[in-house]
Amino acid sequence: GAGVSQSPSNKVTEKGKDVELRCDPISGHTALYWYRQSLGQGLEFLIYFQGNSAPDKSGLPSDRFSAERTGGSVSTLTIQRTQQEDSAVYLCASSFLMRGDIQYFGAGTRLSVL
Amino acid sequence: AQRVTQPEKLLSVFKGAPVELKCNYSYSGSPELFWYVQYSRQRLQLLLRHISRESIKGFTADLNKGETSFHLKKPFAQEEDSAMYYCALSGEGSSNTGKLIFGQGTTLQVKP
Repeated sequence: GAGVSQSPSNKVTEKGKDVELRCDPISGHTALYWYRQSLGQGLEFLIYFQGNSAPDKSGLPSDRFSAERTGGSVSTLTIQRTQQEDSAVYLCASSFLMRGDIQYFGAGTRLSVL
Repeated sequence: AQRVTQPEKLLSVFKGAPVELKCNYSYSGSPELFWYVQYSRQRLQLLLRHISRESIKGFTADLNKGETSFHLKKPFAQEEDSAMYYCALSGEGSSNTGKLIFGQGTTLQVKP
């Protein structure tokens, strides 16, 4: 694809439900990042993948959040038992390598927890 | 601790006026600094990075290690520059993952 693709673009869910957010990075990009953009907290790092491994999960806010990446490509961010404070825009970015390389961002998934 | 501070939430200027969006950082080593921009209804995209030392859309930014700053400047603002601007930092070292630490963002509003 031409860019980083995220789906769904919008997700409305009820408190307590699980949600899955998908990211399809630019072909050939080995590094993949998830960030969260919220009104109160700005843009926060969540997790980093290099290939299928996640060497840095330091930004995940609780054990309700998990992510995986398969085939060195698509990644899924899962939020279990959603809470209202999980409402935010979840952004995915990919790059060829790591530090200093340009990160290309997806359009994001806007999650609303009612 | 790594931290990026953008002191202004909103900067409003008239078309043709000079613009300076402030960014200060806290990092003990030699960071990589970036400016990302998000135009209305568009995705976040890179504007410039300090290692490139280039001017994009008339914007420049100089890394000042003494003042730990990376302010974004443009001599003559245009209406199409209206957007949200984020300053970001990436740390150094082989263990660094390239993750970006963002400031809170500054909304630039250029009035006609």
